[in-house]
Parts: sequence; structure tokens; C-alpha cells
Amino acid sequence: SQTIHQWPATLVQPVGSPLSLECTVEGTSNPNLYWYRQAAGRGLQLLFYSVGIGQISSEVPQNLSASRPQDRQFILSSKKLLLSDSGFYLCAWSVRMAEAFFGQGTRLTVV
Amino acid sequence: GENVEQHPSTLSVQEGDSAVIKCTYSDSASNYFPWYKQELGKGPQLIIDIRSNVGEKKDQRIAVTLNKTAKHFSLHITETQPEDSAVYFCAASPTGYSTLTFGKGTMLLVSP
Repeated sequence: SQTIHQWPATLVQPVGSPLSLECTVEGTSNPNLYWYRQAAGRGLQLLFYSVGIGQISSEVPQNLSASRPQDRQFILSSKKLLLSDSGFYLCAWSVRMAEAFFGQGTRLTVV
Repeated sequence: GENVEQHPSTLSVQEGDSAVIKCTYSDSASNYFPWYKQELGKGPQLIIDIRSNVGEKKDQRIAVTLNKTAKHFSLHITETQPEDSAVYFCAASPTGYSTLTFGKGTMLLVSP
């Protein structure tokens, strides 16, 4: 069966520090991969998605970037964190059109 | 692009009552409509979905209805239980797209 791993679960980082969140998927090949952010107020904001290695689409211009170095690995990065980057970051995958399965999320607090 | 509106933002019911959450969408090309349940501190979990060639789908105590003419779809939970308490999200996706557009969520509170 397919599983998605996302880490770390929680992270506290100072303003101006770099960020690297990693997500891996097991049990499937060539998945679509997604990064979402969920701020206070519960809404899910799509940040990036990827349909293949090295193919990244950005939905919202911001202080973050994404990379897909391997088929089942998706990384969310920042060179310098801002206070406004705090939130709950979710990785998701799908293999059929649009049906998405989420990881357990990373709670990021920028202080 | 697609816009999904979800109501209500908060819903409180007594255990055993039914709960209904409604969503509307804007893009008539949307043909896939999933519902997710998110418990506190966890990622959203897909609980049921419906495609545009179906008007209603049921899975035990939950059901989803779709009205493509009116561009709205609803989640129905019957015989609610305290463990149904969570935030529920609806979403929509147009044909040919790889991404979902989510509603803002409904916090469902089921009191014993």
C-alpha cells in the first residue's frame, strides 16, 4: 500500500534562518506531489505541485521554493524565513486525476 | 480559475443528529468533488468523493450529493458521534487539471 512520510512533525526556527522540509512517498511510481500551507483560519493554500522529476509549478509567489530531486521525494525550502512563514505545512500525493492523499503535516513556528 | 465556497464555517450538533455541509463551485468544467476530514494536528483524510456522472454516493453514515446544474454539492452525516468532530473540507477539480481547489472548511462539533 502507498504511504507518505513527512518530517519533521514540528519545527521552531528563528527569523532569517533557512528551511528544509522533506516528503517521501512509498508504494507508487510517478506520483503528482503537492505542498500546501494551512494558516490560522483552516484554509488550505496550494504552494507548489509537481507532475515529475524537476517539474515544479508555483501557485503563489512567496519566500519559499520547492524541488523534486527524485521521483518520490519533494522538498520545500527557504533561504531566509519570515514570521509570516509560520503555519502548518502539508505534503500530498496523487496518481489519478486530482485525488490527493495527505501526510501528517509539519507545524512550523518562526520566532 | 475555480472558486469553492463552503458553509457553514462552524456547525454544532447533538450526538445522533444529522449534519449537512454545503459547497458551491464556479467552474462548470469541474467534475471531481472530494471531501476531507481533518482532526486536530493531523493531515486531512479523504472520506468520500463523487464524480460528475453520479448524483449521489453513500458510504455508511456519510453521503454526498451533487447538483451540476446548480453547481453545488453537499456532505451529509447521519447519526453523528463525538468522533465525527473535526474540520471538514470540500474541494473541486476541473477536467484535465492536477490540482484541487478547497473550500475554507467547516468545524463540526458533536456534543455527547
